Amino acid sequence: EIVMTQSPATLSVSPGERATLSCRASHNIRSNLAWYQQKPGQAPRLLIFDASIRATGIPARFSGSGSGTEFTLTISSLQSGDFAFYYCQQYNNWPRTFGQGTKVEIK
Amino acid sequence: EVQLVESGGGLIQPGGSLRLSCAASGFTFSNYAMSWVRQAPGKGLEWVSAISGSGGSRYNADSLKGRFTISRDNSKNTLYLQMNTLSAEDTAIYYCARAPDPYYDRSGYDYWGQGTLVTVSS
Repeated sequence: EIVMTQSPATLSVSPGERATLSCRASHNIRSNLAWYQQKPGQAPRLLIFDASIRATGIPARFSGSGSGTEFTLTISSLQSGDFAFYYCQQYNNWPRTFGQGTKVEIK
Repeated sequence: EVQLVESGGGLIQPGGSLRLSCAASGFTFSNYAMSWVRQAPGKGLEWVSAISGSGGSRYNADSLKGRFTISRDNSKNTLYLQMNTLSAEDTAIYYCARAPDPYYDRSGYDYWGQGTLVTVSS
């Protein structure tokens, strides 16, 4: 099973600032990685797939990069609606696995 | 409009069984692989199971030890999760999610239901 490790666990950022979230895979997953946003009481929302492709309707301030074992989600200028939990997920191997999540909170 | 609506959750005693359903609408159900993902209270997301659009391929999380079975009825546009020998560790919100591919989830999950809560307790 591929283990996905996200860091940091919590990221405190001021509105308008940049947020950088990391995700590391225990084995090479090529670019088979997705990022999701989840707000309290809501279902997850797909942000990025194939490591760097924004899903439909996702603002350009969200960007993803990386391949192999190291991945990054960047939110260029945080808005109030961006404070949430973020999860990475690999779909290169079965079983699929998620990272433990990063909480982005208001500083 | 794509909609996924889960049902079947509730309170169940340890050792019991439960079947969850996910009713799909707004798209051609058989053209899409589907999955179940769960989230224990206050915890992160855990992938549970996946099934191809035809139902011919299925995959489960190793941790389930064969207790859960995913299935689908394309004539009813419905996804199922049969859960057996439930324990307190299975307490979670169970989400169904759509993969934008007929064979497997090679681009993540683009639509999710709102989830159904399963509570395993005596």
